[in-house]
Amino acid sequence: EIVLTQSPGTLSLSPGERAALSCRAVHSVDNYIAWYQQKPGRAPRLLIHSASSRAAGVPDRFTGSGSGTDFTLTISRLEPEDFAVYYCQQYGSSPLTFGQGTRLEIK
Amino acid sequence: QVQLVESGGGLVKPGGSLRLSCAASGFSFNDHYMSWIRQAPGKGLEWISYISNSGTFTKYADSVKGRFTISRENANNSLFLVMNSLRVEDTAIYYCAKNAIAAPFDSWGQGTLVTVSS
Repeated sequence: EIVLTQSPGTLSLSPGERAALSCRAVHSVDNYIAWYQQKPGRAPRLLIHSASSRAAGVPDRFTGSGSGTDFTLTISRLEPEDFAVYYCQQYGSSPLTFGQGTRLEIK
Repeated sequence: QVQLVESGGGLVKPGGSLRLSCAASGFSFNDHYMSWIRQAPGKGLEWISYISNSGTFTKYADSVKGRFTISRENANNSLFLVMNSLRVEDTAIYYCAKNAIAAPFDSWGQGTLVTVSS
């Protein structure tokens, strides 16, 4: 099983600031990494797939990067609606696994 | 647009059974793998099972293997999850999601809550 570790657990920032969320895999997952955003009471929403490709309708302030074992989701200028929990997920090998999540909260 | 609607959740005693359903629309259901993913209260996401587009291939997480069975009816655009020998730790919101082999979950349902408690 490929364990994904996300850091930090909680990130406190202000609107307009830049956020960088990390996801690290114990073994290489090539670029089979996705990022999801989840707001309270809602289902997760796919933001990024293939490590760096934005899903349809995702604003360009969301950028994914990395390959192998180290990945980053960057939000260039935080909007109020971006404060949520973010999960990374690997889909290169079974079982499919998620990171434990990073909570992005308003400072 | 893609729509996934889960149903069948509820309160069940430990050792009991439950059958979840997911009604799909807005896409060619029989062309896509489908998965079940769960989220315990206040916790993260856990993939638990997927099924191939034809239904011939299935895979399970170790936590549910031998207790849960995934299936689908392509004629009715429906996905199912039969859960037996339920445990307190199976309490979660259960989401169905659309995916493909080596692909992320690109659409999710709103989830259905399963509570296992005596």
